[in-house]
Amino acid sequence: DAEITQSPRHKITETGRQVTLACHQTWNHNNMFWYRQDLGHGLRLIHYSYGVQDTNKGEVSDGYSVSRSNTEDLPLTLESAASSQTSVYFCASSAGTRGETQYFGPGTRLLVL
Amino acid sequence: DQQVKQNSPSLSVQEGRISILNCDYTNSMFDYFLWYKKYPAEGPTFLISISSIKDKNEDGRFTVFLNKSAKHLSLHIVPSQPGDSAVYFCAASVSSGTYKYIFGTGTRLKVLA
Repeated sequence: DAEITQSPRHKITETGRQVTLACHQTWNHNNMFWYRQDLGHGLRLIHYSYGVQDTNKGEVSDGYSVSRSNTEDLPLTLESAASSQTSVYFCASSAGTRGETQYFGPGTRLLVL
Repeated sequence: DQQVKQNSPSLSVQEGRISILNCDYTNSMFDYFLWYKKYPAEGPTFLISISSIKDKNEDGRFTVFLNKSAKHLSLHIVPSQPGDSAVYFCAASVSSGTYKYIFGTGTRLKVLA
């Protein structure tokens, strides 16, 4: 069965370190998205991609970067982790057709000390 | 500026009764709306959607109502079951030219047995 996976599921890191969160989908979806979930803020879009070599900034992109070298993967990098980036991160994908919904991964819980 | 708002952070309902979750939006360009359900330690899952050309969409126990003039949508769950206890997010999208969703802050529903 097609699926979307995220790794690691839990991560503890220190302020200033570079961290990469992985997202892999087997639906062959064109569109991929990264969100963070924080209490009182819901799900906020960090970065998104509509295809290979395409990346775009979302509403909370500062301090994050993504790259899309193939259809299946969209890794999210925190260039220099900050305590404000402690959050739960969700990856999602969609086919890119009108009315097609986004499918979410199980999430990565990140703690920055 | 929160374009999609869920003003009730939490809601408790007796089993068998109706649950009504509300969502307001400010951007009149939004023309596609969705509800997602999220259990703890899992990613959000799609529940139901509605296009702006409709004012109601029904799927089993779940009905979404859209009032475009008031920029308001609601999710009705009848009858409510303990397994419906989760966080519910509404999301909105401009369906032409973008596949991004703007999510609300979520409402935690607790269905009491």
